Amino acid sequence: QKEVEQNSGPLSVPEGAIASLNCTYSDRGSQSFFWYRQYSGKSPELIMSIYSNGDKEDGRFTAQLNKASQYVSLLIRDSQPSDSATYLCAVGRSNYQLIWGAGTKLIIKP
Amino acid sequence: EAGVAQSPRYKIIEKRQSVAFWCNPISGHATLYWYQQILGQGPKLLIQFQNNGVVDDSQLPKDRFSAERLKGVDSTLKIQPAKLEDSAVYLCASSRGGLFTEAFFGQGTRLTVV
Repeated sequence: QKEVEQNSGPLSVPEGAIASLNCTYSDRGSQSFFWYRQYSGKSPELIMSIYSNGDKEDGRFTAQLNKASQYVSLLIRDSQPSDSATYLCAVGRSNYQLIWGAGTKLIIKP
Repeated sequence: EAGVAQSPRYKIIEKRQSVAFWCNPISGHATLYWYQQILGQGPKLLIQFQNNGVVDDSQLPKDRFSAERLKGVDSTLKIQPAKLEDSAVYLCASSRGGLFTEAFFGQGTRLTVV
C-alpha cells in the first residue's frame, strides 16, 4: 500500500461543474495536508493547506479533511478550463517529512 | 519576497558525465528539499536539509548523487556519473520548517541524459 494514494485519472469534468479530487494516506500520525497544482512543464504550486478536521474554503477551492477515515479531498467549484492540471496531494508526517501522491490529472471540458 | 531560485533551467549531458544543480531557498527558510520528478509521477524526495543538517537522505543514490547545503542557505546537488535513468526534472523546495509549514518550489532543472 502506498503511503499517499490518489486516483491517477484523468478526471474529466464539464466547465462550470464541481471537480472532486480525493487522497488517502496511511500514517495516522500525519499532521498537515497540502494540495498542489502542477501545470504541464511547470513546478508544483501550493493552492491549499489544511491541518484540522473539517472544511477549509478559499475562493472556488474547498479542502476537506477527515483524520478518522484518513482522507483529504479538494473540491473545485465552477470549474474553469484553466483548472486543467495535475493535482498533487502531500501529507506532512510528525518527523517533518512530506509524503507525496502521484497526482490526479484533471481535465475541464469547455 | 523572492521565490526559490534554481539553475540551470535545462541541462543535456552524456551518460557518465557529471552535472551540478544549484538552489537558493526563500530567505529565512530553514528546510530545503531536493526532489526528482519523472514524467507522470509525483515528486520523489532525494534529500531534506534542516538548516545545514541532513534530515532524510534515505532515497538518495549515494553512489552517484551528493548534496550539500552551505552555511544553511543555498544548496548544490551533484550527479557523478550520470545514467540514462537520471533524466528527470530536479526540483528544489523550501519551507520555514516545522510541522505545519508549506513548501514552495523553484522552477526546476530539466535534465536529459543521452
